Parts: sequence; structure tokens; C-alpha cells
Amino acid sequence: GAGVSQSPRYKVAKRGQDVALRCDPISGHVSLFWYQQALGQGPEFLTYFQNEAQLDKSGLPSDRFFAERPEGSVSTLKIQRTQQEDSAVYLCASSLAGSSWDTIYFGEGSWLTVV
Amino acid sequence: GQNIDQPTEMTATEGAIVQINCTYQTSGFNGLFWYQQHAGEAPTFLSYNVLDGLEEKGRFSSFLSRSKGYSYLLLKELQMKDSASYLCAVRGLPSSGGSYIPTFGRGTSLIVHP
Repeated sequence: GAGVSQSPRYKVAKRGQDVALRCDPISGHVSLFWYQQALGQGPEFLTYFQNEAQLDKSGLPSDRFFAERPEGSVSTLKIQRTQQEDSAVYLCASSLAGSSWDTIYFGEGSWLTVV
Repeated sequence: GQNIDQPTEMTATEGAIVQINCTYQTSGFNGLFWYQQHAGEAPTFLSYNVLDGLEEKGRFSSFLSRSKGYSYLLLKELQMKDSASYLCAVRGLPSSGGSYIPTFGRGTSLIVHP
């Protein structure tokens, strides 16, 4: 596609509910990143994929967070048993090759509110 | 670890020039990005610096000094539509998985008034 596409754009979840957030990166982009952005803050790294391999998940805040990219294109970020502190914008980004000079392109984000 | 510092908020007048500073302390250095983010929208790429000096792109310029751990974004001929958050992000050493993951500052909210 022309840009990074994320869905849903907005999600309201009851505390304890599971949610799944989808990211469709730019076609042909090898690298995919997930970031979490709280209101008034910069994006915080969650996890990184190169093709289908999850090379870094050091930013996932707890074992309730899980991400996958089984076929090396679309990725899903799953949050189990949501808590109020999970309320944030979840940004997906992709880059062509994952090298040190690649530009990273962001999607518009999935806004999660846990009530 | 990595530490990136930028002012929380700045205000400027339409037509003026504004400079947004970013200082960083990182383990290694593999480039610095500036992104613009309007409220409720995706961050959009503005510039990338990996060597010292000034990169000019239209009304926007970005400067880097690696020895000082310092960058700035210069916006000229400010327009109302430039009101947004400006994010500084730094790539340090690759992670154990070999990936180059940018770390972001908290962003500078720029308010342009008439």
C-alpha cells in the first residue's frame, strides 16, 4: 500500500478484555516496529520485526503484550487482560531494509482507551 | 542507555524563525531523525542527519554536532500549519538482534500564533 495502515483507529476496551491491533506496513518493507505513545509523550519502543522474525521485544511492558508477523507482512499486536495503564496510542512503523540509514514511516496509530 | 532531551513547549509568531534544540546521550550513534506530529496524526519524517553539519530542505533545516551530542531543527517563515509536536529520535548501537531502533524524545509542542 501507499503508506502504513493501522486498524482499528479507535478502540475502547473494558478492563480485562483482550484486544488485537493490526498493522499493514508499506509493501516490500522488511522492518516493522511497534511503539506506544502516551498523551504528551514521545513514542516508546515495544518490539521490532525483520520479516517474520521478532528480533527485539525488549520494550514490551509485560507478558500480557504479544506481537506476531507470521508471513513477514501484516503484524498484530495483542494485549491480554487490558489495564487502564495500557491506554495509549499504538504506532506501527516500517522501513525498507532495517539498515542504519533507513527512514522509518509511521502509521496513524490505534488509539486504545481502557475503561 | 539512551537519553534524549528537548524542550516541552515553544511558542512563536507567524512568519518568524524558530529553533528547536535536542541534546542526546547514547551508546553509539547511527543517525538522528526529526519528525513532525500533528495532534491525532502519524509522525511524518522531516530530516535525517548522520554527519556533522546543516541539512537544508525548504523551510526546514536540521543541524547536527556529534561531538556535542546536539541537534537543532530550524523552521523559517513560520505558518500556522506548523503548529505541531516535533520529535527528535536517535539511533544508537544495534540491539543484540542487529536492529537499529530509534529512541524518541518526548517531543516539543510548537504553537504558532498570528
